Amino acid sequence: AQSVTQPDIHITVSEGASLELRCNYSYGATPYLFWYVQSPGQGLQLLLKYFSGDTLVQGIKGFEAEFKRSQSSFNLRKPSVHWSDAAEYFCAVGSRKGYSTLTFGKGTMLLVSP
Amino acid sequence: DVKVTQSSRYLVKRTGEKVFLECVQDMDHENMFWYRQDPGLGLRLIYFSYDVKMKEKGDIPEGYSVSREKKERFSLILESASTNQTSMYLCASGPSYEQYFGPGTRLTVT
Repeated sequence: AQSVTQPDIHITVSEGASLELRCNYSYGATPYLFWYVQSPGQGLQLLLKYFSGDTLVQGIKGFEAEFKRSQSSFNLRKPSVHWSDAAEYFCAVGSRKGYSTLTFGKGTMLLVSP
Repeated sequence: DVKVTQSSRYLVKRTGEKVFLECVQDMDHENMFWYRQDPGLGLRLIYFSYDVKMKEKGDIPEGYSVSREKKERFSLILESASTNQTSMYLCASGPSYEQYFGPGTRLTVT
């Protein structure tokens, strides 16, 4: 069965600094990969997705992620963080077999300091 | 824009009550999902449905059931609510692996 690990429970970044959130997955083949963001009291919003092709994926709100097969990673990046980016971020993996379900990581809470 | 709505944002129920959580989507999506979200545990899949009247168990189905009589509506049922079902419940729908989430229902069982 696939699994997703987000090693950092909390990360604090200064406003204007760059950001990288880590995600490692366990799956026997190339999975479908996603990043979602959840603002306080809200549902999850899709930031970006990787299905195949170019391993650097652009998403909304200035985010990007890079799929690295050799490291089983799909890290999320942003060159300059804004205070409004403070939220919880979830990485998810989908199996290419069977039903279209996702397995989510436990999330990383991003705090932005002034 | 895809819209997924959930019947309540906050709900307080007593132990033993039967609880219905409703979810409606307006994008004609085949797939619909129910998750619960707890601090430190992330999102866990309770049930999902890939077609009307079809349902499949997720990772934590115990204590829950679901109903999908119409394509746009997916209901989560707690037959006899217990305090360990206090949680945030999130509904999602999607055409395939992409999922679009509702705002969530925070359920408290006392």
